[in-house]
Amino acid sequence: RKEVEQDPGPFNVPEGATVAFNCTYSNSASQSFFWYRQDCRKEPKLLMSVYSSGNEDGRFTAQLNRASQYISLLIRDSKLSDSATYLCVVNNAGNMLTFGGGTRLMVKP
Amino acid sequence: NAGVTQTPKFQVLKTGQSMTLQCAQDMNHEYMSWYRQDPGMGLRLIHYSVGAGITDQGEVPNGYNVSRSTTEDFPLRLLSAAPSQTSVYFCASSHGQGSSYNEQFFGPGTRLTVL
Repeated sequence: RKEVEQDPGPFNVPEGATVAFNCTYSNSASQSFFWYRQDCRKEPKLLMSVYSSGNEDGRFTAQLNRASQYISLLIRDSKLSDSATYLCVVNNAGNMLTFGGGTRLMVKP
Repeated sequence: NAGVTQTPKFQVLKTGQSMTLQCAQDMNHEYMSWYRQDPGMGLRLIHYSVGAGITDQGEVPNGYNVSRSTTEDFPLRLLSAAPSQTSVYFCASSHGQGSSYNEQFFGPGTRLTVL
């Protein structure tokens, strides 16, 4: 079993739609959680951290469920520019990050 | 402030050749790391360094060497290239270590093909 698992997609949604991605992690001692965004043939960039109480940044909402060991990302009012691959990332110890395989989102006009 | 830079952007090698991928950062970050990204596999940690003179292995270190003689530079050496090392390589840097997270900044990547 992979340490961090994501549905690879692609998720094809129309502009304005709401879309949600889930990610599961296997290490119950994981300490920190993040979503990174990666555009095609580009480097990953931090989208947002995920806090235990849940957090929101504009159209993006991240949730953490420690009991079930999953993380979610909700995108409201999807834009064409949201088309990218979203990487779920878990920090198990120190600065050792474990990446999921990514979920590809395609927003259509 | 250039952030994290990597050279070359593209490279084609023949099996058995050696080469060095260069990585440099100008943010005075203590922590630097190398990842490889293969389709459907996510990024996997090859080697990392928590400061000049200190390196350690990550998840997939075999076939790669690193050194950290300065804070700024963290080169990755392929000793004898194999087709299985065909991948996209990303270098990343961040402040500090420990349980408190610091955002990792990635370089633009090196696309390596081994024939």
